[in-house]
This record gives sequence, C-alpha cells and structure tokens, in this order.
Amino acid sequence: DARVTQTPRHKVTEMGQEVTMRCQPILGHNTVFWYRQTMMQGLELLAYFRNRAPLDDSGMPKDRFSAEMPDATLATLKIQPSEPRDSAVYFCASGLLTSGTSYEQYFGPGTRLTVT
Amino acid sequence: AQSVTQLGSHVSVSEGALVLLRCNYSSSVPPYLFWYVQYPNQGLQLLLKYTTGATLVKGINGFEAEFKKSETSFHLTKPSAHMSDAAEYFCAVSDLGDMRFGAGTRLTVKP
Repeated sequence: DARVTQTPRHKVTEMGQEVTMRCQPILGHNTVFWYRQTMMQGLELLAYFRNRAPLDDSGMPKDRFSAEMPDATLATLKIQPSEPRDSAVYFCASGLLTSGTSYEQYFGPGTRLTVT
Repeated sequence: AQSVTQLGSHVSVSEGALVLLRCNYSSSVPPYLFWYVQYPNQGLQLLLKYTTGATLVKGINGFEAEFKKSETSFHLTKPSAHMSDAAEYFCAVSDLGDMRFGAGTRLTVKP
C-alpha cells in the first residue's frame, strides 16, 4: 500500500529555532507539493516540484522558508528562524503527471508544528 | 487563473438524509475537478475526480458528483448520510500544473 510519509508528525519548538520537515513521496511519482493548513487561511500551496525541479514557490515566505528535493525519494521544507505565526499543519502530497492527463494528489498525514 | 468556490463552510444533515455539498469552479481551460475528504488529524483523501467523459462521477463511500459545464459546478452528493461521513470536504480544480483547493465544507451528521 503506497503512501506518502512525513516526519516528524508533531513538532513543538521555540521561536527562532530551525525546523526541518521531511517527506517521502510515493515511489515513481514525479510531482511533490507542500501545503500549509490553518484555521484562518485554510489550505495554502507553498511550493511544488516536478522531477525534483522547483516549479512554483510563490506561496512561500522567501526570507525564512526553503524547500528542496535532494533526491527523488526525499523532499524537505525548512523554516529558519521559526515564528509563532508558522504554527500550522504542513502537508506533503505527491502525484504522477504524464503527458496529456490530469492526476490526483496523494497526501501525507501532515506535520503539526507549534512554535512557542 | 483557476479557482473554486465552495458554498457553505458548514453543512449539517441528519443521519439518512441527502448530503449536498456545493462547488463552483472557474477555469480558462477544460477543468479537471476533484473532491477530497479530510478526517480529523489526517491528510486529505481523494473521494472522486472528473477528467473527461461521463459527467456523473462515482467515488468511494457512496459519494458521487456531476460536472455541469453550463453551470460551472461540480456538486457532491450522497443519498443517505452516515455518521462516519462527518468530516471536512474540499473541492479542487487542476490544469496540468498545480491544484487549487476550495476553503472546505465541514459536514456534521446528526443522529
């Protein structure tokens, strides 16, 4: 049963600390997305990659957030320095885009981040 | 730019009653449309999708949705609500790039 995995599932940290969230997409998927979910803003797209190349990171605060795909099996989202307003659930999703077709996204269970 | 609007942030139905969750979309190209469900403390799970072909799409857990181009709608229905259907539901639209989600509708099912 192929699934997107995310670590850690929960993270509590103090303001100013660096936070790194990891995602393992489903094997063979070529597109990876990072979302943030809060009560106030709902589900926001932060960034996404295709074939490990960043395609769009316009939803991400550039000064403190960074997203990378060191290899096809790992995507990372880093916040440095973290702030209380970054408290949210961060989801990773992956999908397989092939020529001329649409595709659904498969979501991981999320990382619940609390910044105090 | 593509977008979706979900009408009603909260919907409450009685167990056994019809479920209707509304979604309208905007897209400059033929849309691909999706409904996802999110249970508490979980990620989003695909319920159903429309790409091309038959406009009435059946999904998991007895849900279905009908694509109506003339109304730019993709409403989600289920004939008889079950307590286990209580969750948040998201409509989404996609081209061949990213996917845009609606704000979500929280469904409550009363016994």
